[in-house]
Amino acid sequence: ETGVTQSPTHLIKTRGQQVTLRCSSQSGHNTVSWYQQALGQGPQFIFQYYREEENGRGNFPPRFSGLQFPNYSSELNVNALELDDSALYLCASSPEGGSTYEQYFGPGTRLTVT
Amino acid sequence: AQTVTQSQPEMSVQEAETVTLSCTYDTSENNYYLFWYKQPPSRQMILVIRQEAYKQQNATENRFSVNFQKAAKSFSLKISDSQLGDTAMYFCAFMKPRTGNQFYFGTGTSLTVIP
Repeated sequence: ETGVTQSPTHLIKTRGQQVTLRCSSQSGHNTVSWYQQALGQGPQFIFQYYREEENGRGNFPPRFSGLQFPNYSSELNVNALELDDSALYLCASSPEGGSTYEQYFGPGTRLTVT
Repeated sequence: AQTVTQSQPEMSVQEAETVTLSCTYDTSENNYYLFWYKQPPSRQMILVIRQEAYKQQNATENRFSVNFQKAAKSFSLKISDSQLGDTAMYFCAFMKPRTGNQFYFGTGTSLTVIP
């Protein structure tokens, strides 16, 4: 059973650009959540996808959007990047039929906006 | 809104000793879940222990145990027989079911185990 993977590991973008981050869920998991972790802070919930539909959203602007695919992999898209978007972006997947609090985290993507 | 507070930004403990990390939270809910997650320097978050609010018995996982005080909204983590591999950031988290399963995390406590 493979774990949650994320790509790329690191990314540097310029303010105003757009970025796409990718997450591959653990086998058998149909729910994925995305978090933003700024330096020295705890993760902040961005949104969650369940069976390709958005299933909850935190306090993030619409320029943060996502997709979940039939194989339950997921993307996080951020448009019009701002300096404050620099952070570690984590995704976490949850299993089909399992307790909803069983979240398995990926290693994260470190995004730097200059 | 739910808030989670970890008032100890950094802590250290001697190897083999016991350490307690503090966490308080604020909610008006009666049914919820609490968690401690560990984030080692390699960054991957790992679940350490969880507690259902409706359970009065404190959760225990090997060397890790919690002291859950529902009325006081307190949820501390005790690590016994500390090991070098316990060095990590520890995050306390709150989750209210059926709200998009949104997790609320504290700001973390950086724990260093000293040989």
